[in-house]
Amino acid sequence: DADVTQTPRNRITKTGKRIMLECSQTKGHDRMYWYRQDPGLGLQLIYYSFDVKDINKGEISDGYSVSRQAQAKFSLSLESAIPNQTALYFCATSDDRQGGTEAFFGQGTRLTVV
Amino acid sequence: AQSVAQPEDQVNVAEGNPLTVKCTYSVSGNPYLFWYVQYPNRGLQFLLKYITGDNLVKGSYGFEAEFNKSQTSFHLKKPSALVSDSALYFCAVREGYYGGSQGNLIFGKGTKLSVKP
Repeated sequence: DADVTQTPRNRITKTGKRIMLECSQTKGHDRMYWYRQDPGLGLQLIYYSFDVKDINKGEISDGYSVSRQAQAKFSLSLESAIPNQTALYFCATSDDRQGGTEAFFGQGTRLTVV
Repeated sequence: AQSVAQPEDQVNVAEGNPLTVKCTYSVSGNPYLFWYVQYPNRGLQFLLKYITGDNLVKGSYGFEAEFNKSQTSFHLKKPSALVSDSALYFCAVREGYYGGSQGNLIFGKGTKLSVKP
């Protein structure tokens, strides 16, 4: 089983609909992240969470919200989806007790807003 | 603010030739530097990292990277490219301390590596 699991893997939704992307991890890491990938733009940080009670906005948080339901679960919501939110979304985790550890990524969710 | 630049959108290499994918960074503190690879329809896979110590770090699949503090660079290299190395490569940086927005992983825009037979 994957250490970082994202559901769904693919989703097509209509403009104005609310949609939730879910992420769960079995690595026991405190930090979790949501990134968005667009061609030619790399990965942009949407939200990050240091622990269940600590959630922070990233570079491009407008139009998104998150919920850290437990240490292992971090969900991303689009309250009212719009076409320019069509992208590949990645969840990631890291263990920052030591600082120099790498992040582990899920397989991604490909979201299309029509 | 920390940032990462990958100056080449695409790198083309013949199989068997050495390859270099360039990365430069900007941080105010000590850098933690990472390389990731992304194959089509897949997530990002960790290749290697520099935290401290020897400037030449070795990673997965025969890749290595050289940290150059004076040039603020962390170029990815491989002595002999394989067709299977064709993928999208991302450089990332994290400042070497905690708190606030510092410590988050910031990515470059990616470089597409194409290795031809």
